[in-house]
Amino acid sequence: ETGVTQTPRHLVMGMTNKKSLKCEQHLGHNAMYWYKQSAKKPLELMFVYSLEERVENNSVPSRFSPECPNSSHLFLHLHTLQPEDSALYLCASSQEANTEAFFGQGTRLTVV
Amino acid sequence: AQSVTQPDIHITVSEGASLELRCNYSYGATPYLFWYVQSPGQGLQLLLKYFSGDTLVQGIKGFEAEFKRSQSSFNLRKPSVHWSDAAEYFCAVGLNNNDMRFGAGTRLTVKP
Repeated sequence: ETGVTQTPRHLVMGMTNKKSLKCEQHLGHNAMYWYKQSAKKPLELMFVYSLEERVENNSVPSRFSPECPNSSHLFLHLHTLQPEDSALYLCASSQEANTEAFFGQGTRLTVV
Repeated sequence: AQSVTQPDIHITVSEGASLELRCNYSYGATPYLFWYVQSPGQGLQLLLKYFSGDTLVQGIKGFEAEFKRSQSSFNLRKPSVHWSDAAEYFCAVGLNNNDMRFGAGTRLTVKP
């Protein structure tokens, strides 16, 4: 138990669906992150929020839309995804951006 | 180009043998340095970190890592590997611009 909880653990969605991934941290951290982990590729940083404000967006397609309503919660809204978006999506938090991160167990997303 | 390199994609060692996993980075300044471990289907767990000071850092599960500025390296070591150490290991660097970059990972297999 890392103090970062992601739901759901597994998600299968069609290309026309809209779904959301949820992340919650109980560590009192100020920064939260979304990463994408695909097979045989390095972790890709998608979004960084620091004190609920987005500070980093690494040219992620607009079909991924993050939301950080408060410092404990982070969402990733998904719509009209492509099969190549199938991956493990990891949420993490840290006390400050770029310091040690604590990861959730991830959501395994499959787009059919 | 700025990068984190883990030269070994897959390493196999016998249980009880020593282990060294390599990591090199190419950034202008000394970044924050981390090693994470990931078991199948799980998120990443922090093993150890280097921010400054003593270049030999101790982590959890009997792991240690040594920062060598002249070689831009941060290699992970363990004197005696246990079967439960089989997992994927990731080196990461934290940068000043709210970014954290990960290497592609090294998969460790432990033979009985």
